[in-house]
Parts: sequence; structure tokens; C-alpha cells
Amino acid sequence: EVQLVESGGGLVQPGGSLRLSCAASGFTFSRHWMHWVRQAPGKGLVWVARLDGDGSSTTYADSVKGRFTISRDNAKNTMYLEMKSLRAEDTAVYYCARENGYDDSFDIWGQGTLVTVSS
Amino acid sequence: QSVLTQPPSASGSPGQRVTIACSGSSSNIGSKFVYWYQQVPGAAPKVLISRNDQRPSGVPDRVSGSKSGTSASLVISGLRSEDEADYYCATWDNSLSAWVFGGGTKLTVL
Repeated sequence: EVQLVESGGGLVQPGGSLRLSCAASGFTFSRHWMHWVRQAPGKGLVWVARLDGDGSSTTYADSVKGRFTISRDNAKNTMYLEMKSLRAEDTAVYYCARENGYDDSFDIWGQGTLVTVSS
Repeated sequence: QSVLTQPPSASGSPGQRVTIACSGSSSNIGSKFVYWYQQVPGAAPKVLISRNDQRPSGVPDRVSGSKSGTSASLVISGLRSEDEADYYCATWDNSLSAWVFGGGTKLTVL
């Protein structure tokens, strides 16, 4: 079964750090661009970051540039999001998503992991 | 404020047809493919339409998408109770060098 499973969310204080993981299974992970998308409570979807199949090309939303780092370990079929200098406005459910290699849609999504930034 | 503009809500009775619009600019919708995602409360998003008007396998043909200039539309015909969800348009923005989502439209089936 093709699936993505996020982990690593939790409660963190403002200014703190957290690392999210996204474990992939059921497909050739290294062939796909991967993304992080977040959703604040009661709000809409916001794209966060992406990286290519070998992790050499990354792109970030302006709101997280310089604070978040996206990476992947293809040997472990896992993608990461290292988050630093966290702010209250980073509070959200973080989804990882696979980009379809044919039509560029986000065709597989994880169930999400909640990050709460609060003192 | 989202780069792509969607109405916050839409509604229709069972069996009716509803259209959800998504407005952008030349740097996004005007020059890139549009995607539509459905998110049922409490669940992850699911792709409904890719590349403006393509339905992925498993999406019923009563769902359709179109694009004209800097706007796109999602049409759901023969509304059913299970269509009640949030709908988001999305595309790449050349100016921002980022993927952008619309603010989302909450569809209510009356």
C-alpha cells in the first residue's frame, strides 16, 4: 500500500526547535519530489517546502525561509522538516505529500502531525 | 491573504450543480496548471482535478475542472451529501517561486 506517515509533532515553546519525519512506503521514494504543507487550526492549506528526488534542490515559502530545512534520506525512505526559531504562527497540522511525476499533483498525503508553539 | 481567491462558502441541494471559482494572476493561473483538492473534515486533502481539467482515477465524472485566462473553476454536478467538504485550488506561482493554495471554499449540501 502506498502511504506516508508523519511523526514528530508536539508542543514546543516559542523560539524552540522540532524535527518532523515523513516515512514513505509502497513506492520508489527516490523518484519523487516531496512536499510539506501545513494547516493552522480552522484555516486553509499553506505550502511550506519541497525537495527533489535526491535532495539536491529545495524550495521554501518565504514565511519559513531561513528557519526551516527540508531534507531526505532515500536509504530510509524518509523525509524530514527541521524547524527552528518557532513562532506561535507556525502552529499547524503539518502534512507531507508526494508529487506525482506525471502531472505534478500532490497525489499522496500523510495523515498529518500537529505542531503547537506555545509557552 | 491568499494569492488565489476563492469564495469562502458555497452550497447546493442534493442533485444540483455547484461551481467554485478560483481567481489568480498572470504569474500563477495565467501561466500554470491548476489543481483542485478536496478535504473532508478531519482528513487529509485528496486531489480531485489535476492540470486544469484531468480527473485522477477514482474521481467521478460529475466532477470537472476548467481554466480560462487567470481564473479556474471546479464544477460538481449531481450533488451528494458526501461532497460536503472544503475545496482548494492550487498552482505554482512564478513570481513567488512557490506553490500557492486558494483560501478554500466550504461546500455545504443542504
